[in-house]
Amino acid sequence: EAGVAQSPRYKIIEKRQSVAFWCNPISGHATLYWYQQILGQGPKLLIQFQNNGVVDDSQLPKDRFSAERLKGVDSTLKIQPAKLEDSAVYLCASSPGLAVDTQYFGPGTRLTVL
Amino acid sequence: RKEVEQDPGPFNVPEGATVAFNCTYSNSASQSFFWYRQDCRKEPKLLMSVYSSGNEDGRFTAQLNRASQYISLLIRDSKLSDSATYLCVVNPSGTYKYIFGTGTRLKVLA
Repeated sequence: EAGVAQSPRYKIIEKRQSVAFWCNPISGHATLYWYQQILGQGPKLLIQFQNNGVVDDSQLPKDRFSAERLKGVDSTLKIQPAKLEDSAVYLCASSPGLAVDTQYFGPGTRLTVL
Repeated sequence: RKEVEQDPGPFNVPEGATVAFNCTYSNSASQSFFWYRQDCRKEPKLLMSVYSSGNEDGRFTAQLNRASQYISLLIRDSKLSDSATYLCVVNPSGTYKYIFGTGTRLKVLA
């Protein structure tokens, strides 16, 4: 079974530029999560989708971050404009349903903002 | 107070040693608890769920103490390959989200 796919794996941008990350969850998984993991910290939930609806985006900095999951499968996370403090690994995870369950993580996208 | 707190470590232990980590949580109504393992520059992976009655998987034992609001992970007969960061994860009651601790780093030394 294919795992969670993410691209790109690495991205280096300058502050005030825009960047987008892509995630393809495990086939059939209804729930998709985007996390931000800053070095030395645990993952912090940015947004959670159930199919193509948003379940929780309370910690998403909506002035600069946006995310969508238009057809309930793939998802895109965008940052516009980026700040230095956005340097982190952005992890996508999926789980079969909305019930509390095992999350399967992708390899992450490592973002460096200069 | 943070929702989920862990000692960041590192815990440096010799091969074969027994090591235990604790994780405290602030929401007394939290229902579900997990330990995830994260290797350096890799993604987190589920190690084990933590049940009220505790559970064991080989050399790993997880316990829940609701009265004191903490979960624990015990690793017996440590292997070099156990070197990783162990993340405590809590699901607050009434939500579908997961709160991760900062992780505890373990180094098993030859």
